[in-house]
Amino acid sequence: DAKTTQPNSMESNEEEPVHLPCNHSTISGTDYIHWYRQLPSQGPEYVIHGLTSNVNNRMASLAIAEDRKSSTLILHRATLRDAAVYYCILRDGNTGNQFYFGTGTSLTVIP
Amino acid sequence: DSGVTQTPKHLITATGQRVTLRCSPRSGDLSVYWYQQSLDQGLQFLIQYYNGEERAKENILERFSAQQFPDLHSELNLSSLELGDSALYFCASSVSPTSSYEQYFGPGTRLTVT
Repeated sequence: DAKTTQPNSMESNEEEPVHLPCNHSTISGTDYIHWYRQLPSQGPEYVIHGLTSNVNNRMASLAIAEDRKSSTLILHRATLRDAAVYYCILRDGNTGNQFYFGTGTSLTVIP
Repeated sequence: DSGVTQTPKHLITATGQRVTLRCSPRSGDLSVYWYQQSLDQGLQFLIQYYNGEERAKENILERFSAQQFPDLHSELNLSSLELGDSALYFCASSVSPTSSYEQYFGPGTRLTVT
């Protein structure tokens, strides 16, 4: 599976937008980009995923670079509840669905 | 609430013992996955089932086994437990085994081996 690179930690002020970057320079054409987050003492939670085009849902937006070698998860207005570890994951669309989690980005939201 | 349930929530047992962790997927989901999260290894995929059949596995020790039953619930069996097996065990489910679909995770079972 292709690897992803994320910053270990980021901080954001409450009610401000947050841009969480992810580099995936070895992505293949069939890899989907998934984002999950894990709040303290909870299981991972689905956030968003996409293949080529930018995606929006009620939780966040996913901006995918034109060459697909990087992506950015955008939280439009950070709340204290958004403090979590965010994982960027690539999954091959042809081979299966098990996810390989890296170390993720630990997001701290400052009130 | 993801709709995935796991029991028990906590389990404390001694080395050498055997335990069974149970997972009920979301209604309608046919695929079940097991993950282990420990402090030193992070979140690791163990095994995947789809509609009762094993589909993929990785990082799973021979002392561990799993199955998915006709009603789609799954059980993860851990035997000859060692101190290093202490971890959070998560179950996830998805409607399809393909990667275009998201996975929904349960709250986890915290296993402590003493």
